[in-house]
Amino acid sequence: DAKTTQPPSMDCAEGRAANLPCNHSTISGNEYVYWYRQIHSQGPQYIIHGLKNNETNEMASLIITEDRKSSTLILPHATLRDTAVYYCIVRLPHGSSNTGKLIFGQGTTLQVKP
Amino acid sequence: KAGVTQTPRYLIKTRGQQVTLSCSPISGHRSVSWYQQTPGQGLQFLFEYFSETQRNKGNFPGRFSGRQFSNSRSEMNVSTLELGDSALYLCASSLKGQETQYFGPGTRLLVL
Repeated sequence: DAKTTQPPSMDCAEGRAANLPCNHSTISGNEYVYWYRQIHSQGPQYIIHGLKNNETNEMASLIITEDRKSSTLILPHATLRDTAVYYCIVRLPHGSSNTGKLIFGQGTTLQVKP
Repeated sequence: KAGVTQTPRYLIKTRGQQVTLSCSPISGHRSVSWYQQTPGQGLQFLFEYFSETQRNKGNFPGRFSGRQFSNSRSEMNVSTLELGDSALYLCASSLKGQETQYFGPGTRLLVL
């Protein structure tokens, strides 16, 4: 079973920031938080990942709470092309024998509206 | 770098037939994982191959099998197809399995 909980759907106005929450209250100290998104019928696209610190790349920012029990993916200026299903995944630590396996939950369907 | 490629992109088969899907990982990546996506079950892990060896396996029947070649390309095979095998089959590659996985576009299989 997935170790994360996400709202099933969210709306965001185009040009505004989209903040997607994820709960992972049973996360272990050495497990990473990964975010992927899947635009309709395409393969999932990697967005960002982090362990403890906040992370930022050209696509998004990842904010992880200090107790690591939840995180938020931020798309700073959402566009219509950001409409997709966003998956938050807790991944076994690097070096674990199961790290080649991702466990997907149901994700959050983000609808960006004009 | 070229991304992960999967062939064919679309496939129609009938019940009882078998099918082979192919995945070419990103150059230099040695781990290939396979996933099945259906509307009812979502994205589910099938198996992972690394250095031509199956390293992890999901909870799927023995009709689902795979292999990896010395150039890291991978194939998965489904024998005795059932209607419920209709799905999007995705493969993902990473350097050794523990790094970020990058997905291909998928093969959409329809079983009639």
